[in-house]
Amino acid sequence: EAQVTQNPRYLITVTGKKLTVTCSQNMNHEYMSWYRQDPGLGLRQIYYSMNVEVTDKGDVPEGYKVSRKEKRNFPLILESPSPNQTSLYFCASSLSIQGGTEAFFGQGTRLTVV
Amino acid sequence: DAKTTQPNSMESNEEEPVHLPCNHSTISGTDYIHWYRQLPSQGPEYVIHGLTSNVNNRMASLAIAEDRKSSTLILHRATLRDAAVYYCIPLYNFNKFYFGSGTKLNVKP
Repeated sequence: EAQVTQNPRYLITVTGKKLTVTCSQNMNHEYMSWYRQDPGLGLRQIYYSMNVEVTDKGDVPEGYKVSRKEKRNFPLILESPSPNQTSLYFCASSLSIQGGTEAFFGQGTRLTVV
Repeated sequence: DAKTTQPNSMESNEEEPVHLPCNHSTISGTDYIHWYRQLPSQGPEYVIHGLTSNVNNRMASLAIAEDRKSSTLILHRATLRDAAVYYCIPLYNFNKFYFGSGTKLNVKP
């Protein structure tokens, strides 16, 4: 089954403690991206990757890092989480960056930073 | 980026058709029209997309106005599982993938 898998689904952590949210897709997609969803603000893109070793900032990249060492995986790293990074995070993938294809989303990771 | 206008909410009866409208009068000629939906506590789910012609798939139909300034998502027989927020998104590439506030669809049994 085609899917995007995120882990963990829920995470509570303390300020400053480094964490990684994993994302994996099984569709050999080139394009992957991370979003955060906050009430009243919709989905905002954090980082994206057009292929292995090719990553770039989205609209709200501050405080986040990503890597794309393998095509299937695109982890999101918070080196020093802060309470304003408390949010619902989604990973997504698509065959390419072009709008003629569909995007697949993970189930989400609800992060709370205290 | 094209702006969209959708009703905040709509209601439907189970097993009846639902027509969800979207206005995107500033759409670019190269933008596809995508529809996604999001169920509570879940990730967005692809529904359908099109460029100029009407499109059908197993989930829904997409009717695109001839001038492309509006579109309508058609759910042929709404089920309780279709209760979600539906987003209409003009899209050229996924670096400009903006979800607005969408239409919250309530399906009554």
